[in-house]
Amino acid sequence: DAEITQSPRHKITETGRQVTLACHQTWNHNNMFWYRQDLGHGLRLIHYSYGVQDTNKGEVSDGYSVSRSNTEDLPLTLESAASSQTSVYFCASVREVGETQYFGPGTRLLVL
Amino acid sequence: EDQVTQSPEALRLQEGESSSLNCSYTVSGLRGLFWYRQDPGKGPEFLFTLYSAGEEKEKERLKATLTKKESFLHITAPKPEDSATYLCAVQSSGTSYGKLTFGQGTILTVHP
Repeated sequence: DAEITQSPRHKITETGRQVTLACHQTWNHNNMFWYRQDLGHGLRLIHYSYGVQDTNKGEVSDGYSVSRSNTEDLPLTLESAASSQTSVYFCASVREVGETQYFGPGTRLLVL
Repeated sequence: EDQVTQSPEALRLQEGESSSLNCSYTVSGLRGLFWYRQDPGKGPEFLFTLYSAGEEKEKERLKATLTKKESFLHITAPKPEDSATYLCAVQSSGTSYGKLTFGQGTILTVHP
């Protein structure tokens, strides 16, 4: 069955380190999204991509970057991790804008 | 700016005690309203999409309805396995990239 996976599921890192979170989907969806989920804020959009070589900033993009070299993957990089980036990160994908976004299982990141 | 407010923040029910969750929204033209269920430690799981006022959708003990200002998720005769966080999100027709604006969720606990 087609699916969306994230790795690692849990990560502990130190302030200042570069961290990359992986997202892989097998639906062949062009549109992919990264969200973070924090108590009191709900899910907030970090970055999104409409297709290969396309990346765009969301509402909380500072300190994060993404790259899209193929349809299946959208890795999220924290250039220099900060304690404020401790959160749960979700990747999502959708075939067409307006249709249902399907979410991955999440990555829980702790920055010490 | 799109806004979504969910109430109550938490709801405790006895098994079999029917109730409703509310999702109030402000959006510049609604493209779609989405309901998700989220279990602890997992990603949001899609339940329903509603596109226009008056629309209703059902799935097992859940029924979602939509007006021009709010949506309700009705839970009939809930069971303990319905315990989860229920998330509401809207997509504005004014956005071209499929951004979802989420509410903070309602934590539902059903006691046997």
